[in-house]
Amino acid sequence: GAVVSQHPSRVICKSGTSVKIECRSLDFQATTMFWYRQFPKKSLMLMATSNEGSKATYEQGVEKDKFLINHASLTLSTLTVTSAHPEDSSFYICSATGTSGGFNEQFFGPGTRLTVL
Amino acid sequence: AQSVTQPDIHITVSEGASLELRCNYSYGATPYLFWYVQSPGQGLQLLLKYFSGDTLVQGIKGFEAEFKRSQSSFNLRKPSVHWSDAAEYFCAVGPGSSASKIIFGSGTRLSIRP
Repeated sequence: GAVVSQHPSRVICKSGTSVKIECRSLDFQATTMFWYRQFPKKSLMLMATSNEGSKATYEQGVEKDKFLINHASLTLSTLTVTSAHPEDSSFYICSATGTSGGFNEQFFGPGTRLTVL
Repeated sequence: AQSVTQPDIHITVSEGASLELRCNYSYGATPYLFWYVQSPGQGLQLLLKYFSGDTLVQGIKGFEAEFKRSQSSFNLRKPSVHWSDAAEYFCAVGPGSSASKIIFGSGTRLSIRP
């Protein structure tokens, strides 16, 4: 089946630093990737949609200058949290989908736990 | 407005008992419906999905769900739960294209009583 990985699985950083999270599709070409944020005991909130080679589309209320998304290849998307602050601490999950025949669902990564001190 | 409602925040059932998790949706077009499971600190795993055809959908791990258009519901069921089923369950709805955003419900946490 389609596998999506995320790296790192957890990261702790100091306030004011930037953190990069990678999302990779391991066995398929991901034309579209999605980034979600999940607060404790809450549902997933879509942050942005990225298509390979295009600028990401951000959901209302998500700061595009704070959460930089790059989808430079068909197997890799990155989310960079710039100048992170404690309120950015959260669980970030990516999902990916492709264009191979039969693709009708998103495949989710295992998530990245970000803690900003 | 498009939305998904999971009215039960937390459910506890005894191991071996049957389970039903409720999901209601509001969607303007023909909905594509999903159930996902999330173990603590993990990503989401797709249990089952409904696009069209038979309204009773079989999924992995012995789960099934029934689509009822008249009730705008897509409830998840399992005849006999196992301790390993303890997790968070999310119902979701989308427009059918996997490249479009999915709307998630707020989730139902399932606990299993020994």
